[in-house]
Amino acid sequence: AQTVTQSQPEMSVQEAETVTLSCTYDTSESDYYLFWYKQPPSRQMILVIRQEAYKQQNATENRFSVNFQKAAKSFSLKISDSQLGDAAMYFCACFNYGQNFVFGPGTRLSVLP
Amino acid sequence: DSGVTQTPKHLITATGQRVTLRCSPRSGDLSVYWYQQSLDQGLQFLIQYYNGEERAKGNILERFSAQQFPDLHSELNLSSLELGDSALYFCASSVIWGQGYNEQFFGPGTRLTVL
Repeated sequence: AQTVTQSQPEMSVQEAETVTLSCTYDTSESDYYLFWYKQPPSRQMILVIRQEAYKQQNATENRFSVNFQKAAKSFSLKISDSQLGDAAMYFCACFNYGQNFVFGPGTRLSVLP
Repeated sequence: DSGVTQTPKHLITATGQRVTLRCSPRSGDLSVYWYQQSLDQGLQFLIQYYNGEERAKGNILERFSAQQFPDLHSELNLSSLELGDSALYFCASSVIWGQGYNEQFFGPGTRLTVL
C-alpha cells in the first residue's frame, strides 16, 4: 500500500526566515506525482506545488521549492522569506493511478512575527 | 475560488439520521473525489467517480454511498450517522483520470456535525 509520512506534527519559523517541511513516501509505482497542499484556518485546500516523479528537476513556485530525492523517497518543501500568511497546515500527498491520492497527516506551521 | 462548489456549507444533524452532501465539479472536469477530514487529521480518501462510474474506493464505510449524475455533479450519502462521522467532507474534481498529470481542485468542504 502507498503511504505518506510527515514526521513533524508542528513547526515554527520566524517571519522572513526559511523553513523546510519533511515528507517521505512509499510507493511501488514508477510513475507518480507528489504534491504539497496548504490548508489555512479557512480549511480550504490549496495546491502549493507539484512534482512529477519522472522529472529530475526540483519544482519551484515563487518562494516555495521542493527537494525531491527519488531514491530516498523524500519530498521536502522549503518556504523562503516566510510570511504571516504562510501559517497553515501543510499536507504532502502522493498520486498514482493504482492507489489514487494518499495524504500525509500534515504539519502545522506557525509563523512568528 | 477553485470552481468546485459544495452544498451545504454546514450541516447539523442527530445520530441515526441520513444526510446528502452535494458537489458540483469545475466545468469540464469528469472526475470527482470525496474525502473525509476529521478534526485535526489528514484527508482520508473515500471514493472517486469518473464520468458517472465508480473508479476507486478508499476507506468508505458501508453506511456511506455516492453517485455521479449525468450532469457530472456528485452526491455523497451518509446514513445511520454516528458521532464519529462528524468531520469536514471535501469534494475535489480533476480533468481526466488515468492520463498524465491530474491536479485536483478542492471545494470549500461541508462541515458535518452529528449530535
